[in-house]
Amino acid sequence: NAGVMQNPRHLVRRRGQEARLRCSPMKGHSHVYWYRQLPEEGLKFMVYLQKENIIDESGMPKERFSAEFPKEGPSILRIQQVVRGDSAAYFCASSPRPGRHNEQFFGPGTRLTVL
Amino acid sequence: AQTVTQSQPEMSVQEAETVTLSCTYDTSESDYYLFWYKQPPSRQMILVIRQEAYKQQNATENRFSVNFQKAAKSFSLKISDSQLGDAAMYFCAYTPNAGGTSYGKLTFGQGTILTVHP
Repeated sequence: NAGVMQNPRHLVRRRGQEARLRCSPMKGHSHVYWYRQLPEEGLKFMVYLQKENIIDESGMPKERFSAEFPKEGPSILRIQQVVRGDSAAYFCASSPRPGRHNEQFFGPGTRLTVL
Repeated sequence: AQTVTQSQPEMSVQEAETVTLSCTYDTSESDYYLFWYKQPPSRQMILVIRQEAYKQQNATENRFSVNFQKAAKSFSLKISDSQLGDAAMYFCAYTPNAGGTSYGKLTFGQGTILTVHP
């Protein structure tokens, strides 16, 4: 059973370009969370999605950032017109459902560098 | 709002010795989960141990154990017989078990870098 997969592992973009980060949850998991880790900091929640629904996007910047989790295919975190401050590691986590055994399984992360 | 605080930016321990990492949190919820995650240089987040707030017994996983003090809102991690492979960044994390849109959302502390000396 493959774990949570994220690609690409490293992404370099120039200011103003778009970044697309992909996350394939573990088989059977329908809940996806995205977190951002700035250098020397802890992970910060960005968005929580279920299939075809955004449940909680309270951690998402108001502009340029969007996320989706379609019925088929991976979850996508999209950053438009990237700026240097977007440079960070972006982690995806999945769970079968939130609940008493609420373990999230993390992917290896995508490290975004904005030049 | 929930907050998680790790007051030790860095800790070090000799191989085979014991070290304790501190974590405090703030919440108005009564039912929640607490976690310790390990992040080695590979940056992969690895779950070390989990504590359910309604359980009074402290969780243990082999060489890892916690001291959960609910009234004090304290959740420390003890690593016994430290090994070189334990060297990593350790994060304390919290999530409520209250349902609603915050369900499952993890709030992390700032992290503690653990160095293990041979």
